[in-house]
Parts: sequence; structure tokens; C-alpha cells
Amino acid sequence: KAGVTQTPRYLIKTRGQQVTLSCSPISGHRSVSWYQQTPGQGLQFLFEYFSETQRNKGNFPGRFSGRQFSNSRSEMNVSTLELGDSALYLCASSFRQGQFTDTQYFGPGTRLTVL
Amino acid sequence: AQSVAQPEDQVNVAEGNPLTVKCTYSVSGNPYLFWYVQYPNRGLQFLLKYITGDNLVKGSYGFEAEFNKSQTSFHLKKPSALVSDSALYFCAERTGNQFYFGTGTSLTVIP
Repeated sequence: KAGVTQTPRYLIKTRGQQVTLSCSPISGHRSVSWYQQTPGQGLQFLFEYFSETQRNKGNFPGRFSGRQFSNSRSEMNVSTLELGDSALYLCASSFRQGQFTDTQYFGPGTRLTVL
Repeated sequence: AQSVAQPEDQVNVAEGNPLTVKCTYSVSGNPYLFWYVQYPNRGLQFLLKYITGDNLVKGSYGFEAEFNKSQTSFHLKKPSALVSDSALYFCAERTGNQFYFGTGTSLTVIP
């Protein structure tokens, strides 16, 4: 099976712009979670989508949003970018059925730099 | 509240020596625990998991982890470290449908 793919791999934006990141999960996985990774804050959970609905949400401002399509692909959007949004954004997919979520498998990440 | 803790930010070990990366958990009941490894500028790679059963779990690349309920620990181990094992290691715990990750431990294997 192909792994989790994320596009683009690298992105440079300026403050105030917006950005959209994409994630394609492993075939058969319908749960997609997004994380922000920075040296100072470690790995922080953004949100999880399952069956096109946001199921869990971390403690991030409303500038961070996401969605999931019927084919389980997911996008996250960050509006009005700030310097502090510079980070590695990781997507993870997993098999989920009811209250059972199996192992999360991660994509390579998108490195976002905000200037 | 953080449900897993990695008490060491950095671990150094000589090549060929056994390595241990520590993780403790604080959830009650039966925890679901995972170990991941991250190489520079890459995503996290799954190494192994403990759901139930044997306390010694074997995973990828020769790694294993020991679940200890009395000490609420889930330490990652390898009998003989390789230079290529140098990376960032994360312990994680799953509660419900959400994963909680530790702060990570940077492992350096010295040739």
C-alpha cells in the first residue's frame, strides 16, 4: 500500500497570506489527523477528521481550519499567517471504526516558513 | 493533561551498547501505547505498539519495548545500538480516538 502523502513538501509564505496543505491517507483509512511540530512546542494536535466531519480539535485559533473530502483526502488551511506559524505540519491517517482507532501512520510533512 | 512523559530530552549511547529510551504513562485502566521514530525533516515512523498481552513487544529495526504496569512505564530498548539509530523518538498513548504524544527524546549513537 502507498503511504500517507502530503503536498507540498515545502512552502514559503509571507505574513498575512493564507495557505492550504493537502494530505492523502493510506487507502482504506478514513481518519486523518493534523499536527503542528515546532522545536519549542513539540508535537501539537490540531484536529481530526473522520467521515468528512471534524471529530476532535486541539487548542488552536480559528485561523486554523480543515476539511475532509468523500475520498478521505484532507486539507488544512491557515489564514492570516503569522511568523509563529512556521512549523512542520504533519498528517497522520488511521483505520477507525466506532470507538476504535488503530495505529496512526504519518506522512513526510509540509515545512511551512512564514517570512 | 499530559498522559505520557519522556523524562530525558537527550540520550547518548556508544555504538554497540544497549540503548533505552524512557517513557512513563499516567492513564488508568489498560493503556494503548506506541513508539515512533523521526529522522530529520521526515514524518514519524511507527515502531511498535502495546495493546494487551505480552509485556515485551517487538517492533521494527530490532527495537522492543517493555510494558511495566507497576511502574507505569513503557521503555524502548535495543540490545545493540547503531549509528543509524540516531533520531528523535516519541512515545504516544491513545485514549478514545485521540493520540497524545510525549515531548520526544533525541538519541545520539556515538561511533
